[in-house]
Amino acid sequence: DAKTTQPPSMDCAEGRAANLPCNHSTISGNEYVYWYRQIHSQGPQYIIHGLKNNETNEMASLIITEDRKSSTLILPHATLRDTAVYYCIVLNFGNEKLTFGTGTRLTIIP
Amino acid sequence: AAGVIQSPRHLIKEKRETATLKCYPIPRHDTVYWYQQGPGQDPQFLISFYEKMQSDKGSIPDRFSAQQFSDYHSELNMSSLELGDSALYFCASSSGQGDNSPLHFGNGTRLTVT
Repeated sequence: DAKTTQPPSMDCAEGRAANLPCNHSTISGNEYVYWYRQIHSQGPQYIIHGLKNNETNEMASLIITEDRKSSTLILPHATLRDTAVYYCIVLNFGNEKLTFGTGTRLTIIP
Repeated sequence: AAGVIQSPRHLIKEKRETATLKCYPIPRHDTVYWYQQGPGQDPQFLISFYEKMQSDKGSIPDRFSAQQFSDYHSELNMSSLELGDSALYFCASSSGQGDNSPLHFGNGTRLTVT
């Protein structure tokens, strides 16, 4: 599976859009980009995934660059409850085992 | 919607004792995964089962064993417990093999070994 690189931490003001980047320059053509998050001591939570098209659901939007070497997770109106560690993971299939990297610790500031 | 259920939520054991953690997957999910998360660390994959057969294995100590039963629930058995086994243990479930359905995690069992 392709490795990913994420900034270790980010801050975002409450009510603003939080944009979390992820680099996956070695991604292969059949690998998907998945995003999970973990709120303190809770189980990781699935957010969204995509292959090459931009995706949106009730939680977030996922923007994947045309060359697929990077992506951005967007939380459109961040709330304090969005404070969590966000993991970008590249997989062949969604139900493969997840290998968690260090992720981005996002702090929403009141 | 039903989620992954783990029991117990908290467990305190002494060194050299045994522990059994249970996981009840989302209905109609046939695959379960176990993860261990030490203090300040990221979750680490231990083992997974598909249709009651072990499907993948990670950094699971030999002192640990797991199985998936006919009703698809799973149990993680831990023997000769060590202080370093103190951690959060998460179970996740998913449906099918080789598709894009994501993993859904339970809220974990916090094991403390004293």
